[in-house]
Amino acid sequence: AQTVTQSQPEMSVQEAETVTLSCTYDTSESDYYLFWYKQPPSRQMILVIRQEAYKQQNATENRFSVNFQKAAKSFSLKISDSQLGDAAMYFCAYTTQPGRRALTFGSGTRLQVQP
Amino acid sequence: NAGVTQTPKFRILKIGQSMTLQCTQDMNHNYMYWYRQDPGMGLKLIYYSVGAGITDKGEVPNGYNVSRSTTEDFPLRLELAAPSQTSVYFCASSYGGGRPQETQYFGPGTRLLVL
Repeated sequence: AQTVTQSQPEMSVQEAETVTLSCTYDTSESDYYLFWYKQPPSRQMILVIRQEAYKQQNATENRFSVNFQKAAKSFSLKISDSQLGDAAMYFCAYTTQPGRRALTFGSGTRLQVQP
Repeated sequence: NAGVTQTPKFRILKIGQSMTLQCTQDMNHNYMYWYRQDPGMGLKLIYYSVGAGITDKGEVPNGYNVSRSTTEDFPLRLELAAPSQTSVYFCASSYGGGRPQETQYFGPGTRLLVL
């Protein structure tokens, strides 16, 4: 079975500090995409960052960056200069191509940001 | 451009009742998905569609039905509601054309309570 594991149910960070959320995945496909989604209390799923498996360069989006280790099947999210608005559930997910392209999600990490 | 819209936002259903959750996207996306999110968990795929007239089951399809008569609409039907269907339901869509188009965009969710 294809799975995504987020081993940290909860994390806490001080405002302006840096935090890293862990994610490992297991797929037999060679072509896939990895995502981090943010879910605030409003429940809206918001795309934070995406990584295409064939690209070796780690993706970055402003304060968000990933550490993609393809051989280890690891995809961690680093949030720099944490802000109060970053507090949310964060879900790691992937989709494969070709195929149905549905997302397989991890169970999430709840991030708290302390002022 | 409204993206992905879902109705209703919240509904209380009695055991044995039926209802349809509506989902519409205005991005001309080929692929559409229904996920459910149980408390404290990640999202799980119920059904998906790769185009009008084509649907298929995901991981948790029991108790649900779907149809896709147009590119824009992908309703989810619950027959004979059960307490186990209490969840938050998300509709999502993606272009399905490969590479950057693989990103899925989510609706705001429908919270369903079956009593």
